[in-house]
Amino acid sequence: QITLKESGPTLVKPTQTLTLTCTFSGFSLSTSGVGVGWIRQPPGKALEWLALIYWNDDKRYSPSLKSRLTITKDTSKNQVVLTMTNMDPVDTATYYCAHSKLLEGFDPWGQGTPVTVSS
Amino acid sequence: QSALTQPPSASGSPGQSVTISCTGTSSDVGGYNYVSWYQQHPGKAPKLMIYEVNKRPSGVPDRFSGSKSGNTASLTVSGLQAEDEADYYCSSYAGSNNFEVFGGGTKLTVL
Repeated sequence: QITLKESGPTLVKPTQTLTLTCTFSGFSLSTSGVGVGWIRQPPGKALEWLALIYWNDDKRYSPSLKSRLTITKDTSKNQVVLTMTNMDPVDTATYYCAHSKLLEGFDPWGQGTPVTVSS
Repeated sequence: QSALTQPPSASGSPGQSVTISCTGTSSDVGGYNYVSWYQQHPGKAPKLMIYEVNKRPSGVPDRFSGSKSGNTASLTVSGLQAEDEADYYCSSYAGSNNFEVFGGGTKLTVL
């Protein structure tokens, strides 16, 4: 059974850097074709894809956020870390991580972690 | 504004069928057979219902089906049940630069 869980601060100040950790079990990020992605959802709004890292360390970023995002993996710890710099109130959202295999969609998803950006 | 266009709402009575559309461009929906659909109940994480246009993950009822024509993908829910009431999001691979784009979501109401 694959499970993922996001962790990180619930409140960050504007201009600060957000660091989120996705801890997973039930699969290995060293297995060919496997990836972990990050998706966010502002309150009452739609999903927005942020970033994805593959087993071979191939990394993909949303073009609109690429300059602010960094995704890394620690295969030994079964963790993926997303950092987002220069946080703004518009970045207030629930942040999800999800398992991905090639381009077969994100399945399953973590429970999500809410992040509020406010001074 | 989301990259893929979905109707904000859809509805149907129990037992009926409803179809939700997802319109993109030749750079995403029309260019690849990598369209996914997600179901999201209030306060819950999204759940994959369809991948690669028309494939169902294990455990998803066959009442859910997907299709694509040109730049528009569709999700059809047949034999509507009360538990199908949720938000539905489409997504598509959009090439190596944009990679993945989502639709704005459709709220499905079971009357």
